[in-house]
Amino acid sequence: GAVVSQHPSWVICKSGTSVKIECRSLDFQATTMFWYRQFPKQSLMLMATSNEGSKATYEQGVEKDKFLINHASLTLSTLTVTSAHPEDSSFYICSAPPRTTLNNEQFFGPGTRLTVL
Amino acid sequence: AQSVTQLDSQVPVFEEAPVELRCNYSSSVSVYLFWYVQYPNQGLQLLLKYLSGSTLVKGINGFEAEFNKSQTSFHLRKPSVHISDTAEYFCAVSQYTGTASKLTFGTGTRLQVTL
Repeated sequence: GAVVSQHPSWVICKSGTSVKIECRSLDFQATTMFWYRQFPKQSLMLMATSNEGSKATYEQGVEKDKFLINHASLTLSTLTVTSAHPEDSSFYICSAPPRTTLNNEQFFGPGTRLTVL
Repeated sequence: AQSVTQLDSQVPVFEEAPVELRCNYSSSVSVYLFWYVQYPNQGLQLLLKYLSGSTLVKGINGFEAEFNKSQTSFHLRKPSVHISDTAEYFCAVSQYTGTASKLTFGTGTRLQVTL
């Protein structure tokens, strides 16, 4: 099956610093990738849709200047949390539907645990 | 707009007992339905999906789900659970938007299997 990787798997940073999270589709191309965040014991909330070659689409209430998304290629999307604060601590998960499929199936990365001190 | 309701936040069950995790959805158009499982500190793994065709869908690890359009439900079942099935289970619905699709997740059900 299709594999999506994320790097790093966990990161601890100081308040005010920026953190970059990578999402890669390892064996397929994805023109679209999705970024979710998940707080402890809660569901996944879609943050934004990353589009290769164009601007990301953000969900209502998500600050686009704080969560910068760059879809650099058909296999890589990055999420940069700028000027991170403790309330940004969360589990960030990306997903990608293979561009050759129209059945809406998405493959998820293993997630990145961000802790802001 | 579409939404997903998972009525049970937690389901405790003894090993080898049957289990049903409930999921109801609402949508104004045809949708695709999914069940995902999440183990602690991990991403989501697809258990099964309904796209079209037979309303009874079989997935991995012995799970199955039945799509009921009239009741807008997609309940997940397993006839005999194992300790290793302890995890968080998410029901999700998606709608193709022409370029890609967004998944809307339910709030999750924690399945706790004990001896």
